[in-house]
Amino acid sequence: GENVEQHPSTLSVQEGDSAVIKCTYSDSASNYFPWYKQELGKRPQLIIDIRSNVGEKKDQRIAVTLNKTAKHFSLHITETQPEDSAVYFCAAPQRSNDYKLSFGAGTTVTVRA
Amino acid sequence: EAGVAQSPRYKIIEKRQSVAFWCNPISGHATLYWYQQILGQGPKLLIQFQNNGVVDDSQLPKDRFSAERLKGVDSTLKIQPAKLEDSAVYLCASSLTGARYEQYFGPGTRLTVT
Repeated sequence: GENVEQHPSTLSVQEGDSAVIKCTYSDSASNYFPWYKQELGKRPQLIIDIRSNVGEKKDQRIAVTLNKTAKHFSLHITETQPEDSAVYFCAAPQRSNDYKLSFGAGTTVTVRA
Repeated sequence: EAGVAQSPRYKIIEKRQSVAFWCNPISGHATLYWYQQILGQGPKLLIQFQNNGVVDDSQLPKDRFSAERLKGVDSTLKIQPAKLEDSAVYLCASSLTGARYEQYFGPGTRLTVT
C-alpha cells in the first residue's frame, strides 16, 4: 500500500515568516494529494489539494507544490499568523483503493507572536 | 450545509467493556469512512462504506470491532471488548461518490479505555 512520510514532525516559526512541510509517497500512480489542518481538539479540515496534472496550486497564503519525478509534495504557508498554529497532515490515495487515503504522521506548527 | 455529526464526543470505559459510536454523514454523501486517530499520529482508515455495502475493512480488527451502515445513511462502530490500546479519537468522514477524494470529517469521539 501507499506509504506517506511527512517532515518535520514539529515546526516553530516567527509570525510573518514562512513554513514549509514536505511529504514523500511511494506509489508513482498516486494522483491526488490533499492537505488537512487540525486545530487542537477539532476535526481535520481540507485546506488545499493538488492533482498530478499540475505542479503548483495557490490559495491566498497557502500553496502546494508537487514533484512527481521525486515523488514528493510540499505545503507552503507564507506570512504566518497565530491562527496557522495547528497540526497539518498530508495524504495520498492507495493504488488498490483510490478512495482510501494514507495519512502522514502530521506536523505540529507553532507560530510565535 | 450541515456537517458530519458524531456522538458521543467523549467516552470513558474500562477495558473489556463495550462501546458504540454513531455517525450521521452529510446528506447525499454515499461514501462513509471510519478512522482511528491515535494521539500524535495521522488518521488510519478502519472501514469504508459505499451506500450500505463495505468496500474496505482490511484494517478493521474484526475480532473486536464491528460496523454497520443500515439504509446507507447513519453508521455505528462498535468495540467489544475494548482494550487499552483502543484509546484514540474515532473520526467519521463522508464524501460524494463523484468527488471521492474530498472527505469531510466529523468532530470525532475521544475514547479513553482505563
